[in-house]
Amino acid sequence: DAGVIQSPRHEVTEMGQEVTLRCKPISGHDYLFWYRQTMMRGLELLIYFNNNVPIDDSGMPEDRFSAKMPNASFSTLKIQPSEPRDSAVYFCASSRGTGDTEAFFGQGTRLTVV
Amino acid sequence: AQSVTQLDSHVSVSEGTPVLLRCNYSSSYSPSLFWYVQHPNKGLQLLLKYTSAATLVKGINGFEAEFKKSETSFHLTKPSAHMSDAAEYFCVVSDLNRDDKIIFGKGTRLHILP
Repeated sequence: DAGVIQSPRHEVTEMGQEVTLRCKPISGHDYLFWYRQTMMRGLELLIYFNNNVPIDDSGMPEDRFSAKMPNASFSTLKIQPSEPRDSAVYFCASSRGTGDTEAFFGQGTRLTVV
Repeated sequence: AQSVTQLDSHVSVSEGTPVLLRCNYSSSYSPSLFWYVQHPNKGLQLLLKYTSAATLVKGINGFEAEFKKSETSFHLTKPSAHMSDAAEYFCVVSDLNRDDKIIFGKGTRLHILP
């Protein structure tokens, strides 16, 4: 398996634009997580899914953020409209969630909003 | 509810000397505990994990951690630091079997002095 795949690796956008980050989890993993990493706040859990269903989105900073998982092999994190303070590295991770609960991380998407 | 506290945001050691990165956790259940490492501009990589088997866990690159339930600690150690160990280290607690989240500590940045 190629691991968790995120795209794009880098995204630069202007304030006010819509941004969509994409994630393909490892096949067979039931859990998918979106994290945001900044210098100030470290790694924050934004939202996680179990079997494509959002379980906890309490970490989503505000209504400008939304996440979907239309099927077991794809998830998106959307920011509309984007703001400079959204600049961060966004990580997607997946896990089997039973027994071995190790999470496997993608390489991250570095988002810069100017 | 679960939480994890990394007591030091920065640790500096000389090359060849021991490394100690501290982590304390709280959990209502018997959690799984992990240490992840993140090298500059890279994604997160699993160093080691504890999942209620042996309390002393050995990981990659010579790292190990000991689970001490009485102290609610899971400190990361290495006998002799190498320059390549310079990175950020995250202590993580999770209990996905109970539909809970994967919670990250704030991270400890390890500096290796020549």
